[in-house]
Amino acid sequence: DTEVTQTPKHLVMGMTNKKSLKCEQHMGHRAMYWYKQKAKKPPELMFVYSYEKLSINESVPSRFSPECPNSSLLNLHLHALQPEDSALYLCASSQGGRLAGEAGELFFGEGSRLTVL
Amino acid sequence: AQSVTQPDIHITVSEGASLELRCNYSYGATPYLFWYVQSPGQGLQLLLKYFSGDTLVQGIKGFEAEFKRSQSSFNLRKPSVHWSDAAEYFCAAFQGAQKLVFGQGTRLTINP
Repeated sequence: DTEVTQTPKHLVMGMTNKKSLKCEQHMGHRAMYWYKQKAKKPPELMFVYSYEKLSINESVPSRFSPECPNSSLLNLHLHALQPEDSALYLCASSQGGRLAGEAGELFFGEGSRLTVL
Repeated sequence: AQSVTQPDIHITVSEGASLELRCNYSYGATPYLFWYVQSPGQGLQLLLKYFSGDTLVQGIKGFEAEFKRSQSSFNLRKPSVHWSDAAEYFCAAFQGAQKLVFGQGTRLTINP
């Protein structure tokens, strides 16, 4: 199984709502990632979890709150978002590792398309 | 800062023609390089990767890429494109152990 599964595929929320994006992988990977992708732009890294610990936060606003309950699951909790946060949110996983080259390739999910009204 | 550059924003080729997408990187040490493809509204699929060894790398869907240290390049090639190859192509590289960064992408259009 080489799949990364993201739910929901589409999400529309108001600026006062609280919602969550979910990501799951069963490849035994130990690193998981959240990327944000705006239209016609490359993906931009938001967070990296390595061995279930947050290892990279790319200065993401606190209205985005990641959570890694176990090595297979990754959540992104959303609260008080702004319309400019509308984007495709991509989850990815990799073997993980602490040295350059150990992570291997990233496997991406299909993404969750978020619209903030 | 370490970076990945894709000089071509948009390329159009005819079906059956050959293809080369350019990627340049700026790194001190040996980079770990990737090419991903993304269809509209979809996730990213890995085409191929280079970590070390043979500088000509074979990937899926008939794609290949060549790592040239002297030119700091990792260009993607395909001898004959198919209409289904129309998509956005991203070159990417690791900054450190965990941060994968992407070039700006090249949009490929196929003329029938």
